[in-house]
Amino acid sequence: AQSVSQHNHHVILSEAASLELGCNYSYGGTVNLFWYVQYPGQHLQLLLKYFSGDPLVKGIKGFEAEFIKSKFSFNLRKPSVQWSDTAEYFCAVIPRGGYQKVTFGTGTKLQVIP
Amino acid sequence: DTAVSQTPKYLVTQMGNDKSIKCEQNLGHDTMYWYKQDSKKFLKIMFSYNNKELIINETVPNRFSPKSPDKAHLNLHINSLELGDSAVYFCASSQELRGAENTEAFFGQGTRLTVV
Repeated sequence: AQSVSQHNHHVILSEAASLELGCNYSYGGTVNLFWYVQYPGQHLQLLLKYFSGDPLVKGIKGFEAEFIKSKFSFNLRKPSVQWSDTAEYFCAVIPRGGYQKVTFGTGTKLQVIP
Repeated sequence: DTAVSQTPKYLVTQMGNDKSIKCEQNLGHDTMYWYKQDSKKFLKIMFSYNNKELIINETVPNRFSPKSPDKAHLNLHINSLELGDSAVYFCASSQELRGAENTEAFFGQGTRLTVV
């Protein structure tokens, strides 16, 4: 069965700092990769996704992520965070071929201090 | 138009009650899901349905019974509610039953269930 690890559980940054959130997955085959954001009290929103092609994908709100196949990683980055980026961030995978279900990481809480 | 819609958005109820959460998708997808987000924000799949047929049941107590009257609807009925059922429940849908390139899930806005 697939699994997703997010090693940073709680990250605190000052505004304008750069962000990198780690995500590693465990699965023997090909996967589709996603990052979701959940603002306080809100629902899940898709930040970006990767299916194939250029391993560097750009999403909304200035976020990007890089898929490194050899490391089974899909880290999320943003050059300069804003207070409004304070939220919970979830990495997720959907394996190809088997019954499709989204497996989420445990989430990273990002707190941006003005 | 909202692609995946859930009702109600908030639900507060007493222990022992029976309640339902409704979900509808207008994307023409064949597959629908229920996910549970607990107090620690951990998201886990509960059920998936494909064309009204149960595909995945992830060891959920049998007090939880999904019902799919048609492929656009997947409702979640919960009997004898317990304090531990308090969580946010997300409905989702996807184009494919089996993961393929371009497969993704579309999530509803969630239902925050509070059992008192």
